[in-house]
Amino acid sequence: GAVVSQHPSWVICKSGTSVKIECRSLDFQATTMFWYRQFPKQSLMLMATSNEGSKATYEQGVEKDKFLINHASLTLSTLTVTSAHPEDSSFYICSARDWGTGELFFGEGSRLTVL
Amino acid sequence: QKEVEQNSGPLSVPEGAIASLNCTYSDRGSQSFFWYRQYSGKSPELIMFIYSNGDKEDGRFTAQLNKASQYVSLLIRDSQPSDSATYLCAVRVQGAQKLVFGQGTRLTINP
Repeated sequence: GAVVSQHPSWVICKSGTSVKIECRSLDFQATTMFWYRQFPKQSLMLMATSNEGSKATYEQGVEKDKFLINHASLTLSTLTVTSAHPEDSSFYICSARDWGTGELFFGEGSRLTVL
Repeated sequence: QKEVEQNSGPLSVPEGAIASLNCTYSDRGSQSFFWYRQYSGKSPELIMFIYSNGDKEDGRFTAQLNKASQYVSLLIRDSQPSDSATYLCAVRVQGAQKLVFGQGTRLTINP
């Protein structure tokens, strides 16, 4: 089946630094990708919808200047957590929609720990 | 009221029995309904999707949709310990691309 790859799968950083997470669709083109955040024992919370070639659409309460999203190609979207703080520690998951079939596939997730 | 609601559990079911997972949604314009399974520390994986009222079967899994009652369920027959996971219900509203997830039900299958 289709594969969505996220990198890195886990990252530890110091408070105040920025971290970039990549989401790639490996064998299909994705005009739309979604970024979710999941805290322990909680559900997935949609952060933003990333559209290729245009600005991302952020959900209410998500700071667009803190969580920078770039979707520069049909196979790659990136999420940059700027000036990370311990409360940003979470499991970040991307998903990508195959523009041909409409199916949605999830990446493996990236666990961020901010010290 | 949350858009998609699930009983967080935990739900314990003996091995071999039927596990029944329920989900309600608030938006009558919802068109597509999905069940995902998520193991601890992993990302969700799609089990089934359903668009039309009624039942949809795939192996040991049956999804049931009742749009009038705004209710969707997942039945797992012959439950196995490997079915122990959190099950997420997700809903897509007509005209929208995003999925809205419920809080998930933690299922434990006891050997």
